[in-house]
Amino acid sequence: EPEVTQTPSHQVTQMGQEVILRCVPISNHLYFYWYRQILGQKVEFLVSFYNNEISEKSEIFDDQFSVERPDGSNFTLKIRSTKLEDSAMYFCASSRLNEKLFFGSGTQLSVL
Amino acid sequence: AQSVAQPEDQVNVAEGNPLTVKCTYSVSGNPYLFWYVQYPNRGLQFLLKYITGDNLVKGSYGFEAEFNKSQTSFHLKKPSALVSDSALYFCAVRDNNDMRFGAGTRLTVKP
Repeated sequence: EPEVTQTPSHQVTQMGQEVILRCVPISNHLYFYWYRQILGQKVEFLVSFYNNEISEKSEIFDDQFSVERPDGSNFTLKIRSTKLEDSAMYFCASSRLNEKLFFGSGTQLSVL
Repeated sequence: AQSVAQPEDQVNVAEGNPLTVKCTYSVSGNPYLFWYVQYPNRGLQFLLKYITGDNLVKGSYGFEAEFNKSQTSFHLKKPSALVSDSALYFCAVRDNNDMRFGAGTRLTVKP
């Protein structure tokens, strides 16, 4: 079965630093997503992306966050100035229209 | 905006007994409903979905879910629980580009 891949699996950074989380969605999918999960609890929606622009974003996705699809395969989440509360597992997902989401295995971000 | 609610944080059942994990939804149009499972230190895995058609949907690992329009529910069920079913279960609703998840229910199946 096709997979969404995320790198790195773990990222440790200092507060105030910029981080970029990378994702390679499934090749024929058109919809891309970022979610985060803190301490194995609720899965929180961050942003959805379609046709090279943001479709929807949550209140969590403030000016510190940005997404980009720099080429035909990668989908990145950038956090400009990390805060302690940004520590979480970040999941990338992709899908076709109105179909199930395929999730990557996540990037565990630790902000010290 | 669409949303789902999972009223139980935790469900405990004995192995071999039937299990139910509850989910209710709120949508403005036709609901596209999903169940996902998350095992420890893993991403979310798709279990099953309801788009249209039969109200009883069968999915992976022997799970099924019943869509009930009058009660706006989409409860996950399994006739006979296994210890290996212990995991975190998420109900989700999709509206075009957006999928939102419930808070999750931790299922523990005891031998």
